[in-house]
Amino acid sequence: AQKITQTQPGMFVQEKEAVTLDCTYDTSDPSYGLFWYKQPSSGEMIFLIYQGSYDQQNATEGRYSLNFQKARKSANLVISASQLGDSAMYFCAMREDQNFNKFYFGSGTKLNVKP
Amino acid sequence: SQTIHQWPATLVQPVGSPLSLECTVEGTSNPNLYWYRQAAGRGLQLLFYSVGIGQISSEVPQNLSASRPQDRQFILSSKKLLLSDSGFYLCAWSVRERNQPQHFGDGTRLSIL
Repeated sequence: AQKITQTQPGMFVQEKEAVTLDCTYDTSDPSYGLFWYKQPSSGEMIFLIYQGSYDQQNATEGRYSLNFQKARKSANLVISASQLGDSAMYFCAMREDQNFNKFYFGSGTKLNVKP
Repeated sequence: SQTIHQWPATLVQPVGSPLSLECTVEGTSNPNLYWYRQAAGRGLQLLFYSVGIGQISSEVPQNLSASRPQDRQFILSSKKLLLSDSGFYLCAWSVRERNQPQHFGDGTRLSIL
């Protein structure tokens, strides 16, 4: 079974609007971490935000926030006030305590911000 | 601060030729090191990871190999490249703390002719 599922291959959003990128995960480990990365067309992977399985509050980093619903095993990324520079691939990833050395990545969502 | 260097940035190689991609990390000790491959517009495929010198875990059987001759050096190799080896190769490092992310190099775009 897929550890990380991103069901939106591509998304469009109007500049200055908010957008939600979906991520669901599958694990039996009670202790894990969830990460989001941005990959612009140049190729580098940029770490955006982290959510721990025991964190009580949703993570926020500037315009990025994570809508963490543990019971539903979802960790959606919310980007507020979209900018043209937000156009990129976005990847959700997970790290489990029981298999600490590996990160599991989703297939990614291509976000296009329209002017 | 920690930095990761990966080279070359682009590489064009004929089928059947050897390959050596190198990755080095500065500013940290005993990191986990990773090699990923990414096809155009697709996700990341984990190829190898290493938790220490000489310790290599292979995730996908193929004609690639990896070595870690020094603590902060990770090398991806092939004796004979195939057309299917084309792609974008990313090196990454991490520490062994749950809340810490992987940090990636700038990648190598490999084209096989």
